[in-house]
This record gives sequence, structure tokens and C-alpha cells, in this order.
Amino acid sequence: DADVTQTPRNRITKTGKRIMLECSQTKGHDRMYWYRQDPGLGLRLIYYSFDVKDINKGEISDGYSVSRQAQAKFSLSLESAIPNQTALYFCATSGDNQPQHFGDGTRLSIL
Amino acid sequence: DAKTTQPNSMESNEEEPVHLPCNHSTISGTDYIHWYRQLPSQGPEYVIHGLTSNVNNRMASLAIAEDRKSSTLILHRATLRDAAVYYCILIQGAQKLVFGQGTRLTINP
Repeated sequence: DADVTQTPRNRITKTGKRIMLECSQTKGHDRMYWYRQDPGLGLRLIYYSFDVKDINKGEISDGYSVSRQAQAKFSLSLESAIPNQTALYFCATSGDNQPQHFGDGTRLSIL
Repeated sequence: DAKTTQPNSMESNEEEPVHLPCNHSTISGTDYIHWYRQLPSQGPEYVIHGLTSNVNNRMASLAIAEDRKSSTLILHRATLRDAAVYYCILIQGAQKLVFGQGTRLTINP
């Protein structure tokens, strides 16, 4: 089983719909992160959380919200999806001052 | 966040060493140098990191210049599975990874 699991792996939806991407981890890490990746580019940080009660905005948080339901779960929501949010989304986890471990990504297409 | 500069692409042959350069002239004294790689259709994968001294692990070696303004990731014997995009990232404190475009490494059989 993967240490960092993202669901769904692929999603196609329409403009204006609410979308939730989920991430769960079995590594016991306190820190969790959401990134997006656009074609040919590196990853950009959307939100991060250092524990269940700590949520922080990243570089590109507008249009997104997150929920840290438990230490092991961190979900990303798009309240009203728009086409320029079409991208590959990655969740990552880490321990304190440790390297980040990434999931396999969710490919999201908004029509 | 301090910036890094990497070549857009590099090419090497299987079973030969590969040296991937990274310039970070504005690095601060507390920035760690991290390398990640992203294989096709996968999330990024941690490779190695260091602060001042050269580092070795089972995947690669990291050579850090004495003035810390540049570093080199060394793959000692490249395989086809090492074909990926390699990212050099400076991290301080909050561990917010700031990815550049990275170097796309092609390995020829």
C-alpha cells in the first residue's frame, strides 16, 4: 500500500462544480501539503498544515480551501471550479525537518 | 525565497556518471540544498540534501561548493530508470518547497 494516497486519481468535471480532492497518509507525519503542477512547470504550493489545528496559505491559495480532518487526512476543495484550475494536483507529507513524501497525483480537468 | 538556476535539459549515456549542476548565488547561511526528482507520471521523489558538507546516499552524491553558491548532484552510474526531471531546491525553516523548472535528464541506452 502507498504511504500517501490521493483520491480520485483522475477527475473530469464542469465549470462551477464543487470538487474535493482527498489525501490520506500512513506515515504518521504531522505536516501535509497540497501542490499543483501545470504542464512543463514545477510544482506550486497551495496550502500546508503543520498539525491538525494549523493551516497556512501557500503561493497560490486563491480559489481553494482545505480541511485537516485528522492527522492522516488533508483534503483540498475547489468551491466553484474554473477551467484554469485544470492541473495535476499532488499531496505531500513530512515529519519535522524531514524530506517530503508525495502521492501519485490527481489529474483534474475542468471543462 | 532564494532562487536556483539549473540547465533546462541534459543528456547522458547509460552506465556513465551524470553531474547535474545548480547555481544558488543568493543562498543564505541557513538554507539547506535539497534535490528531488520526478519520474514520468509520478509525484516528486526525494533524492538527497545537504547544508555545507558533501553528502552521499544510496541514490546519489551531493557536492557543495565551498562558498555554497553552487552544488552538483552526481549519479555515479546512470540507468534508464534515472530519466526524470531533477529539481534543486533551497529550504529554510518552514520547509516550503519552491520548485523551479528543473533539469530534464535523458539517458541513452
